[in-house]
Amino acid sequence: GQNIDQPTEMTATEGAIVQINCTYQTSGFNGLFWYQQHAGEAPTFLSYNVLDGLEEKGRFSSFLSRSKGYSYLLLKELQMKDSASYLCAPPPPDNYGQNFVFGPGTRLSVLP
Amino acid sequence: EAQVTQNPRYLITVTGKKLTVTCSQNMNHEYMSWYRQDPGLGLRQIYYSMNVEVTDKGDVPEGYKVSRKEKRNFPLILESPSPNQTSLYFCASSLVPDRSYNSPLHFGNGTRLTVT
Repeated sequence: GQNIDQPTEMTATEGAIVQINCTYQTSGFNGLFWYQQHAGEAPTFLSYNVLDGLEEKGRFSSFLSRSKGYSYLLLKELQMKDSASYLCAPPPPDNYGQNFVFGPGTRLSVLP
Repeated sequence: EAQVTQNPRYLITVTGKKLTVTCSQNMNHEYMSWYRQDPGLGLRQIYYSMNVEVTDKGDVPEGYKVSRKEKRNFPLILESPSPNQTSLYFCASSLVPDRSYNSPLHFGNGTRLTVT
């Protein structure tokens, strides 16, 4: 399978900004997804990057560089409800996209 | 309401007793997939299906079977469950398998399985 790397845990303060990185080894050129998962719940879709560059969506932004196998999720104005795990799903090596494989996830704790 | 429905939510069983976890989606999605999630190991794909009668192995298929006889249903079958299959299972679906489009996965609420 792919080698997808994310930090295991991060901690930040309410109102702050945090960047969660995702690196992967693949030659795929399709899009990368980010999902949010609260403890004990199903993952939910956060963002999608089909092209290289930054996609902004309210308090959340996501960046992708396919040539470098690198993405990050930027969360601004952190709120307590942002405490969750964040999963990246990079482009698959076969360029077709049916094999949705996830990174190990980053557990973010937002402190008051 | 568009959704992926998994049943049951919780299941406790004994080693060797065959079980089926059902998954149904009402969004006319072509792609469906099963994952298991274990602490420290993240979401791992078990099987996926591109369309009716088309299934393929994911990263951890051993001990599992699936079928896709109808577009909306994608049951996960454990013929002879073992304790190492104790896990949280998620079913997911998406509109198209081609990720050049923004077609994210929609997940069911999960099934927590315990095999004793």
